[in-house]
Amino acid sequence: KAGVTQTPRYLIKTRGQQVTLSCSPISGHRSVSWYQQTPGQGLQFLFEYFSETQRNKGNFPGRFSGRQFSNSRSEMNVSTLELGDSALYLCASSSGTGGFRGTDTQYFGPGTRLTVL
Amino acid sequence: AQKVTQAQTEISVVEKEDVTLDCVYETRDTTYYLFWYKQPPSGELVFLIRRNSFDEQNEISGRYSWNFQKSTSSFNFTITASQVVDSAVYFCALIISSGSARQLTFGSGTQLTVLP
Repeated sequence: KAGVTQTPRYLIKTRGQQVTLSCSPISGHRSVSWYQQTPGQGLQFLFEYFSETQRNKGNFPGRFSGRQFSNSRSEMNVSTLELGDSALYLCASSSGTGGFRGTDTQYFGPGTRLTVL
Repeated sequence: AQKVTQAQTEISVVEKEDVTLDCVYETRDTTYYLFWYKQPPSGELVFLIRRNSFDEQNEISGRYSWNFQKSTSSFNFTITASQVVDSAVYFCALIISSGSARQLTFGSGTQLTVLP
């Protein structure tokens, strides 16, 4: 099976712009989670989508949003970019259907490295 | 709230040495899963192992082994006979079963450098 793919891999934007990142999960996986990784804050959870519905959201401002399509592909959007949004954005997919919700192992993509100038 | 602590920020060893990466976690839940991920310079997080809170059996996979001890809330990772290719950042993570908190809580990571 192909792994999780993320596009683009690298992105450079300027403050105030908006950006959209894309994630294609492993075939058959219905859950997609997004994480932000920065040197200062480490890995932080952004949100999780399952069957086109946001199931969980981390502690990020409303400028960060996402959505999931019927084919389980997901996008996240960041509006009005700030310098502090420079980070590696990682997408993870899992089956999301385990009886015990925590059982599903999350498999990560290569990430999108966003630089805000 | 959950918390994962990886006290070792950086570890440097010479090839063929054994190395142990420490992980201590905090949670009030009795049902949870623990994970280890490896992040090479390319950036992708590579899944290594998952352990549930009811299974304290240690596990060995090739040169990798994991020691899970609920009594000390620790889930340590040992690499035997380290190799240069083991150089990476290693993350310990926790996920619980209750409520909507389905996200992974990560430790801050341990940068392992294996010198030839």
